[in-house]
Amino acid sequence: DSGVTQTPKHLITATGQRVTLRCSPRSGDLSVYWYQQSLDQGLQFLIQYYNGEERAKGNILERFSAQQFPDLHSELNLSSLELGDSALYFCASSALEYTDTQYFGPGTRLTVL
Amino acid sequence: AQKVTQAQTEISVVEKEDVTLDCVYETRDTTYYLFWYKQPPSGELVFLIRRNSFDEQNEISGRYSWNFQKSTSSFNFTITASQVVDSAVYFCALRSVQGGSEKLVFGKGTKLTVNP
Repeated sequence: DSGVTQTPKHLITATGQRVTLRCSPRSGDLSVYWYQQSLDQGLQFLIQYYNGEERAKGNILERFSAQQFPDLHSELNLSSLELGDSALYFCASSALEYTDTQYFGPGTRLTVL
Repeated sequence: AQKVTQAQTEISVVEKEDVTLDCVYETRDTTYYLFWYKQPPSGELVFLIRRNSFDEQNEISGRYSWNFQKSTSSFNFTITASQVVDSAVYFCALRSVQGGSEKLVFGKGTKLTVNP
């Protein structure tokens, strides 16, 4: 158990819908990262937050957004969902901004029908 | 640009065999970190090891060992006396300290199947 929690574990929804994925980092970790794992793209970095502020963006679609709250949990919002958004979404956290290991949560498997 | 190549897509071995998973990376940065993660069939990503670019010492942890060679930009992972529980997808990843982003760049992964 990495100490990073993600909810829900599974999510099934329809095209055009909007969903919110939630992540609670390990106790004391200030950085949260979101990754998407799909069969064709592999593991791709989406976005990073550090202590409530957006720190870096990767291959995140405009339909996707995220935020990190004062209690350091983070949410990833996916809207206008398409079939191609079906993937495993991971949250990771680390203590320090630059030098620490990222520990991953169990992931949320999103299926868009 | 940063890149991680895991040329072996799938490897199948019989229990107790030794197996080496290859990882080749590309980066222009002088300070960087290399990682291995394991993804068992249950889906979670489990951290195995972190290596920084200044430490080329090889590491052994039980049946696992890692060989880091800057000269060939490789960070290979060997499992000795493999077991069925080692069956998983293994990812090599690279993180650069420079550039302001702490993202991990992952290889495509190597699926290891250990047969009884």
